[in-house]
Parts: sequence; C-alpha cells; structure tokens
Amino acid sequence: EPEVTQTPSHQVTQMGQEVILRCVPISNHLYFYWYRQILGQKVEFLVSFYNNEISEKSEIFDDQFSVERPDGSNFTLKIRSTKLEDSAMYFCASGKDRQETQYFGPGTRLLVL
Amino acid sequence: GESVGLHLPTLSVQEGDNSIINCAYSNSASDYFIWYKQESGKGPQFIIDIRSNMDKRQGQRVTVLLNKTVKHLSLQIAATQPGDSAVYFCAERWSSGAGSYQLTFGKGTKLSVIP
Repeated sequence: EPEVTQTPSHQVTQMGQEVILRCVPISNHLYFYWYRQILGQKVEFLVSFYNNEISEKSEIFDDQFSVERPDGSNFTLKIRSTKLEDSAMYFCASGKDRQETQYFGPGTRLLVL
Repeated sequence: GESVGLHLPTLSVQEGDNSIINCAYSNSASDYFIWYKQESGKGPQFIIDIRSNMDKRQGQRVTVLLNKTVKHLSLQIAATQPGDSAVYFCAERWSSGAGSYQLTFGKGTKLSVIP
C-alpha cells in the first residue's frame, strides 16, 4: 500500500540554523500539506500546496517558513532561522483531491537547542 | 476555524469490550469529519470518515456517528483489541474558499486496552 514518507525521522539543530524537512507524498496525489504537533498538544495545520503554489496557510506559517516541490516526488518544508518554539513533530500529508482524505507521513521530530 | 474538542482525555477498556470515543465540534460549516489513530512515534492514521450529509457510517469494527443537531461525533470500536491502544483524534474539515481544505484536530483521547 502506498504511503507518505518523511526524512529525517529526527533532526536536532541549533537555534538560528536553517532546517529542511523532506517528504515524498503518495505518487498520484496532487494536494500536499504540512502540520506540526508540539509535544502534548494538538496537531496544527501549517500550509497546503497545490499546483506548485501555496493554497492556504495558517498564522503559524510566517516568513520563516517556506515550502517547495523541487521535483516530481519531493515536497519540502524549510525553516530559515529556527527558534526554540519550533521544536515539534512535523507531519507531511497528501491527498488525491482537495476533497479526499489526507494521508499522513510518520513525521520528523525536530528539536531546536 | 473554530475549535474541535474531545470530552474524554483518557479511556481504559477491557479487551473484548466496546469503546466509545466522543468529540464535540463547533464549526457548523465543516462538511467532513475524520477519525485518526496515532500510535506512539507515528503519524496520524486514517480510520474512518463521514460527510455531513450522513449520520452513521460503518467500517470494519468501527462505526462513526454524527449528530449535527448537537455537533457531536463519536467513534465506536467493537471488540476492542490490544492493538487498538493509541491516541484517537477527531478532525473536522473546512474550507475558507481559497481552493483547499484545512483540518482542525481535537487534542486526542488516549485509549488503553486492558488485556
């Protein structure tokens, strides 16, 4: 069964450093998403992406964040200058259509020191 | 978007019993609801969904009930098994009209199955 994959599974970085989180969505899906989950809290929407542009973004997704689909398979989330409060699990999700169910990857645990 | 919340943060059930996990939502514009299961260290896994024009949907051992009058959603798991132990999230889907949908998640209910 096809699934969303994410790399790395864990990332430790120093405050102020840039990180890139990578995702490979399910191959025939067209809608892509990033969510985050701070430890012990709800899963929160960050951004949705379709047709090589951002469809929607939340208040969390400020100028420090960017997303890109650099090729036909990868979908990345970049945090330019990490802050301590960026420490969280970051989940990528994809969907075949905007009305279809979103399928989640296993997540990347980001720790900012 | 408005909040989605869960009534019970933890639930312990005996193996073989039925489990009921509840969720309240407040966004009347939401048209689609999903239950996800999240095991430790893993991403949310889709369990079952229901559209707002339905009030019940059944899957394998799981049933979702939607009561739009009181904005309540429940997940019923029949004959609960140890492998069902996880955190369960409800999520509501809504669109701001920008061409995509967002999911708003509840905080989660931890289900523990006692062997």
